[in-house]
Amino acid sequence: NAGVTQTPKFQVLKTGQSMTLQCAQDMNHEYMSWYRQDPGMGLRLIHYSVGAGITDQGEVPNGYNVSRSTTEDFPLRLLSAAPSQTSVYFCASSDGQGRYEQYFGPGTRLTVT
Amino acid sequence: GIQVEQSPPDLILQEGANSTLRCNFSDSVNNLQWFHQNPWGQLINLFYIPSGTKQNGRLSATTVATERYSLLYISSSQTTDSGVYFCAVEATDSWGKLQFGAGTQVVVTP
Repeated sequence: NAGVTQTPKFQVLKTGQSMTLQCAQDMNHEYMSWYRQDPGMGLRLIHYSVGAGITDQGEVPNGYNVSRSTTEDFPLRLLSAAPSQTSVYFCASSDGQGRYEQYFGPGTRLTVT
Repeated sequence: GIQVEQSPPDLILQEGANSTLRCNFSDSVNNLQWFHQNPWGQLINLFYIPSGTKQNGRLSATTVATERYSLLYISSSQTTDSGVYFCAVEATDSWGKLQFGAGTQVVVTP
């Protein structure tokens, strides 16, 4: 199993550009989520999904969109990037609708200039 | 929302020393997990422990849900234990939403 994979590893965007961060898992997990991590802080939940076709907002959802058309994939879209979105983004997945161990991807380091 | 406080914020250990990290939370929880973020940024799940005690090698954790705290014990620390340790909880009224603490930065020196 590859576990949770994320692409790209690094990305630089200009203000106003859009992009999609990809996340995939091969563990047939129902629950997937996106977090951002800023320097010196813990992770903050952006959006999460408890199954295909179901998504909900986390603590910091503004400026981000998600969809979940398959169990395996959970992309995160930035429609109009802002410098405040410079961060490291982590995707995670879990069985049992998030009630069990969460497994994290390697992260995407995003810089918005 | 639920508050998660971790202490100490920083810890410097000599190799071979033991240590205890603490996580306090402000409300009832369904879910509590401990993670280690290594110096390369990778997050590894150490324990899923909403209550009780678990051990995994030199690491063990105890959660006393009724008193709203959890402890992570590191025994005979090694340089590979360096990194940031995070506690994350899911409040009973926030299904599906993990709230992370700010972490404890641990440095183990040879």
